[in-house]
Amino acid sequence: NAGVTQTPKFRVLKTGQSMTLLCAQDMNHEYMYWYRQDPGMGLRLIHYSVGEGTTAKGEVPDGYNVSRLKKQNFLLGLESAAPSQTSVYFCASNFGGSSSSYNSPLHFGNGTRLTVT
Amino acid sequence: AQSVTQPDIHITVSEGASLELRCNYSYGATPYLFWYVQSPGQGLQLLLKYFSGDTLVQGIKGFEAEFKRSQSSFNLRKPSVHWSDAAEYFCAVGFKAAGNKLTFGGGTRVLVKP
Repeated sequence: NAGVTQTPKFRVLKTGQSMTLLCAQDMNHEYMYWYRQDPGMGLRLIHYSVGEGTTAKGEVPDGYNVSRLKKQNFLLGLESAAPSQTSVYFCASNFGGSSSSYNSPLHFGNGTRLTVT
Repeated sequence: AQSVTQPDIHITVSEGASLELRCNYSYGATPYLFWYVQSPGQGLQLLLKYFSGDTLVQGIKGFEAEFKRSQSSFNLRKPSVHWSDAAEYFCAVGFKAAGNKLTFGGGTRVLVKP
């Protein structure tokens, strides 16, 4: 029962470097999300996907890109990292908006701690 | 836009004492309400949820929460806290009009004294 798996767990980048965070889920969930968590601000939605091949902007999308080429994977990219992107990043997934599971609970990965110097 | 407020950033409680965490939201429509718990270094785990029906909902680990529409609140309670309840707790709100996107509160960190 892997659930939602995020890699890597930790990463340190220099300003201007790029990287990709990988999220994989094995629950056949339709919807996937990327959040960032900062002290006192809870979780803020960066981007999300309602199905394979689709992506949409969330609350704080600037500086990030995403791709959902396969249903089970959701990638978050930083093209040119900035110190303001130092955060803990969480991936989550759920069944989405079907009539039987509307707003079904989110399943979270364990997070990726990113530091940009 | 909807917002979720958790007024208490930190709460310290003695083991065996009762605990109440506050959550208020702003929006006119009927919300979907959740409480999640995050242990250090972990992701968030669902404690309980409210979609409709009985306004007092029971969750895992002995937690319960009550939805009060008139106060736009969804406070979390536990009658007797255990040391393992030390964690950060997040209230989250969703609305049908917003699809499946949840808005999270800023979190309340709970410390448990022996």
